[in-house]
Amino acid sequence: KAGVTQTPRYLIKTRGQQVTLSCSPISGHRSVSWYQQTPGQGLQFLFEYFSETQRNKGNFPGRFSGRQFSNSRSEMNVSTLELGDSALYLCASSLGSGTGNTEAFFGQGTRLTVV
Amino acid sequence: GESVGLHLPTLSVQEGDNSIINCAYSNSASDYFIWYKQESGKGPQFIIDIRSNMDKRQGQRVTVLLNKTVKHLSLQIAATQPGDSAVYFCAETPGFSGAGSYQLTFGKGTKLSVIP
Repeated sequence: KAGVTQTPRYLIKTRGQQVTLSCSPISGHRSVSWYQQTPGQGLQFLFEYFSETQRNKGNFPGRFSGRQFSNSRSEMNVSTLELGDSALYLCASSLGSGTGNTEAFFGQGTRLTVV
Repeated sequence: GESVGLHLPTLSVQEGDNSIINCAYSNSASDYFIWYKQESGKGPQFIIDIRSNMDKRQGQRVTVLLNKTVKHLSLQIAATQPGDSAVYFCAETPGFSGAGSYQLTFGKGTKLSVIP
């Protein structure tokens, strides 16, 4: 079956701009989580969506937002970009149904560079 | 705040030897512990998980050990191969409540280099 698809793979933006990243989860998966990965901070949880509702949110400023559509596809948006937002943004897909299945499938990520 | 961390940032092993990657955690409320492998240019890949009510779990060539007394987690890779070269992350989650909320806290990662 198809894996998690993130688009675009690479992105260069200027400070102050805004950006939207997209994630298509594995078919049948209803939970989509977003993570930011940087060399200094490692992998940090941004937020998780399940059935179009944000279920959990990490410790990031309000400039970071997301949403999930009825087909489970998710987008995250970062407004007023800062140099420190340069990172690999990863999306993880899982069943999210509370079955105890901890397996999350990650996409290849979107590499965002802010200049 | 509580976090998950790793003892060793880099580990070099000879091909065919066993590898042991360690992780310390501080959140005693964690219910699931998971190991991920991340190869260059790819997202993390699930390897194996263990629930807090277990102390050992085995997979194909991998074993995870959990010591709740000292809050320590380890990943053992048997007969390490060049394809095992990657960065390994431990992660923890408080578990699932109701609808299975999913939030992972990751350690900093250990780079495993396999010497042919």
